[in-house]
Amino acid sequence: SQQGEEDPQALSIQEGENATMNCSYKTSINNLQWYRQNSGRGLVHLILIRSNEREKHSGRLRVTLDTSKKSSSLLITASRAADTASYFCATSADQGAQKLVFGQGTRLTINP
Amino acid sequence: GAGVSQSPRYKVAKRGQDVALRCDPISGHVSLFWYQQALGQGPEFLTYFQNEAQLDKSGLPSDRFFAERPEGSVSTLKIQRTQQEDSAVYLCASSTTGARAFFGQGTRLTVV
Repeated sequence: SQQGEEDPQALSIQEGENATMNCSYKTSINNLQWYRQNSGRGLVHLILIRSNEREKHSGRLRVTLDTSKKSSSLLITASRAADTASYFCATSADQGAQKLVFGQGTRLTINP
Repeated sequence: GAGVSQSPRYKVAKRGQDVALRCDPISGHVSLFWYQQALGQGPEFLTYFQNEAQLDKSGLPSDRFFAERPEGSVSTLKIQRTQQEDSAVYLCASSTTGARAFFGQGTRLTVV
């Protein structure tokens, strides 16, 4: 079963705009990760945020985590056509095994 | 190798046929995971190995699904008597203990 729900399910914006995707989850976690998946390809790891962290940055990516609300957001700034993909959040309850529970994903389309 | 390798990339099976999907993890990675991703959905956990030991098989949907990793490296996911609902992308991931997972490109299984 899916752990989380992602919002929105689909997002279409113009190149250069910022894209924000949200993820909610249900159980206690050790960390939350965001992945990108291009059509027909594997998952690419973007960023990991631990349960004791509130915000993390990596290049044009900014992730926030609110454990009291069991939610996270992924912000992509200055979007590019190459950012077109599906984005998934995934939670792990275990630091060691890293068994991941994925959300349904957000399909992001960047229009040139 | 440079990354996680899965074969075949695509498999078409007739209903009732047995299939075997192969995963070559990154050399030295102790942990290996199998996930099932239905069309338009996020990946769902199937099973987890630490070296040759299968520590968690709670996600396997039925006793028709069987996974092994006899020498703690290459893993095979076998599906017996395939059904149409088995059609999905099967993703393999590997990691070192406590580190993020690296995913392969997946095997797209279509049961006709």
